[in-house]
Amino acid sequence: NAGVMQNPRHLVRRRGQEARLRCSPMKGHSHVYWYRQLPEEGLKFMVYLQKENIIDESGMPKERFSAEFPKEGPSILRIQQVVRGDSAAYFCASSPSRLSNQPQHFGDGTRLSIL
Amino acid sequence: KNQVEQSPQSLIILEGKNCTLQCNYTVSPFSNLRWYKQDTGRGPVSLTIMTFSENTKSNGRYTATLDADTKQSSLHITASQLSDSASYICVVSAENTDKLIFGTGTRLQVFP
Repeated sequence: NAGVMQNPRHLVRRRGQEARLRCSPMKGHSHVYWYRQLPEEGLKFMVYLQKENIIDESGMPKERFSAEFPKEGPSILRIQQVVRGDSAAYFCASSPSRLSNQPQHFGDGTRLSIL
Repeated sequence: KNQVEQSPQSLIILEGKNCTLQCNYTVSPFSNLRWYKQDTGRGPVSLTIMTFSENTKSNGRYTATLDADTKQSSLHITASQLSDSASYICVVSAENTDKLIFGTGTRLQVFP
């Protein structure tokens, strides 16, 4: 499967724990986008990264959330000290170049549940 | 405020019938409009991408239209199949930005 791979597909955490979500983009894609989808809502942009650089993080909450896309390995979305409101589906998408008219290819998401 | 609104919120049709989904947007300056299909529990899959100069684009039984003057788009599905049951999401991109703005989708159910 050469598509965008996200893991885990489901993640359960207790309040106060840390959640790490991983995303491996499609082969040859160096641009990664993270989105959050709350129940009954549309996807909301969180952050855009290119290898080793954060290009736009205007959709990220200022506290507890961070993202990285290292030179080697997958992109990581990290949520510290999770709260109930963090429960959502988190989607990663990748593209071969900066957005413009390029299609974004999405993974199947990580569903985060906070107990 | 940049927004994308879709209608109807949900739709039920019988297999073999056609349907049309609507999208209105207020995103400015406009760059492109996309339609995605999202199956339950899966990520969105791109159906079409249209720029300002394109009025219509087809992908198999899916045909999207765009009226940039009225800021409206539609997605027409011909001869629906059971596998068309999914959420259809309208997504708009503004110029000079890396963000996509998503509508909340139309949930389509196709019954035999």
